[in-house]
Amino acid sequence: KNQVEQSPQSLIILEGKNCTLQCNYTVSPFSNLRWYKQDTGRGPVSLTIMTFSENTKSNGRYTATLDADTKQSSLHITASQLSDSASYICVVSPGVGGYNKLIFGAGTRLAVHP
Amino acid sequence: ETGVTQTPRHLVMGMTNKKSLKCEQHLGHNAMYWYKQSAKKPLELMFVYSLEERVENNSVPSRFSPECPNSSHLFLHLHTLQPEDSALYLCASSLFFEGESYEQYFGPGTRLTVT
Repeated sequence: KNQVEQSPQSLIILEGKNCTLQCNYTVSPFSNLRWYKQDTGRGPVSLTIMTFSENTKSNGRYTATLDADTKQSSLHITASQLSDSASYICVVSPGVGGYNKLIFGAGTRLAVHP
Repeated sequence: ETGVTQTPRHLVMGMTNKKSLKCEQHLGHNAMYWYKQSAKKPLELMFVYSLEERVENNSVPSRFSPECPNSSHLFLHLHTLQPEDSALYLCASSLFFEGESYEQYFGPGTRLTVT
C-alpha cells in the first residue's frame, strides 16, 4: 500500500536553532517528492520538489534531501525563525499518469518559540 | 498568495442546512481539485475536474456535490452534513497536459464546522 509516514508528529524548538524533519515512503513507482509548508488556517505552499535523480534541494534556509534507495527524505531548517511555525507536509507522486494522485503524509507540526 | 481563492473562509452550519463552498483560480490552469483535511490526518482527495469534466470521485458521500461551470471556478455544494464532516476543505488547481498533471497550487481553505 502506498504510504507516506512523517516524524516527529510535532516538534518545539527555540528560535535560531536548527531542526530536521523526516519522511519515509513506500510509494511505488516514484516520480517526485515535495515538501509543503502549511501555515495555520492557510493552504499548503510548495517548498521543494525532488525527482528520483536528485538527492538534495535548497530553498533559502530549507534544505531537503532524498535517498531513493531507502525511500527516505528529510527537511532541514537552519537558523529557525518564528515564522517557520507551521505544519510541514511530505507529498509523494507515483507519477503513473492520470490526475497525479498525490500521496500525502500527515505532517509535522513545528512550533518555534522565542 | 497562490492565485487560488476560496470563500467563505469559515462556515458553521447545522446538519439540515444547505450551503456551498466556492473556489476560483487565476492561474490559467485546466484542472481543479477538492481535498478534505481533518486534524492530524493526511489530505484526502475528494474530486477532480479537468476541463470542467469530473474525472475523479473518491467514494465521497452524496451529501457533497461538486460543480465546475468553467475552468476557473469550482463549487462544493453541501447538504445534510454530519458532525464528522467538520474539517478544512481545500481547493487546488494545476495544469494537466498530455496525460500528466503538474504542480498543484492550493487555496487557503474553508474551515467548516457542522453542529
